[in-house]
Amino acid sequence: DAKTTQPTSMDCAEGRAANLPCNHSTISGNEYVYWYRQIHSQGPQYIIHGLKNNETNEMASLIITEDRKSSTLILPHATLRDTAVYYCIVRPTDSWGKLQFGAGTQVVVTP
Amino acid sequence: DTAVSQTPKYLVTQMGNDKSIKCEQNLGHDTMYWYKQDSKKFLKIMFSYNNKELIINETVPNRFSPKSPDKAHLNLHINSLELGDSAVYFCASSQWTAGSYEQYFGPGTRLTVT
Repeated sequence: DAKTTQPTSMDCAEGRAANLPCNHSTISGNEYVYWYRQIHSQGPQYIIHGLKNNETNEMASLIITEDRKSSTLILPHATLRDTAVYYCIVRPTDSWGKLQFGAGTQVVVTP
Repeated sequence: DTAVSQTPKYLVTQMGNDKSIKCEQNLGHDTMYWYKQDSKKFLKIMFSYNNKELIINETVPNRFSPKSPDKAHLNLHINSLELGDSAVYFCASSQWTAGSYEQYFGPGTRLTVT
């Protein structure tokens, strides 16, 4: 499976947009990019996923570069409740849902 | 209503004991998973069942045995518990849809082996 590289940590001011980068330079054509987050002491939570096109839902936007080697998760208006570890994961469509979590990015939203 | 629930939330036991963790989902999903999150916070998949059939079995000691009595339940039984089994265990579920795999996770079971 392709691996991802994310910054270890980042801070964001409350109310501002948080832009979380992810590199996946070895991604294959049949692999999706998924984002999950884990708030302290809770189970991971699905945020968004995409293949080629940019995606947006009520939680976030996902911007995937044209060569698909990197992506950015955008939290448009960060709140204190968005403080969490954010995981960028690539997964083949035929992998029966096997998610391989890396270390993720610890995002701290400050007042 | 809780989508994915696990019992117990906390489990403290001694080495050598046998214990079970239960998981139930009320989402109507056909696939369920067990993940282990160790002290370094890395999440690793252990097992996955689709329609009660085992489809993912990672390199896990055979002291760990999952059982799926029906599509809504996936239990994890652990024999001869060891100190290294201490971790948080998460259950998850999803619905098999080509190209889409949103997994819904339970709150976790914190297992402490003394």
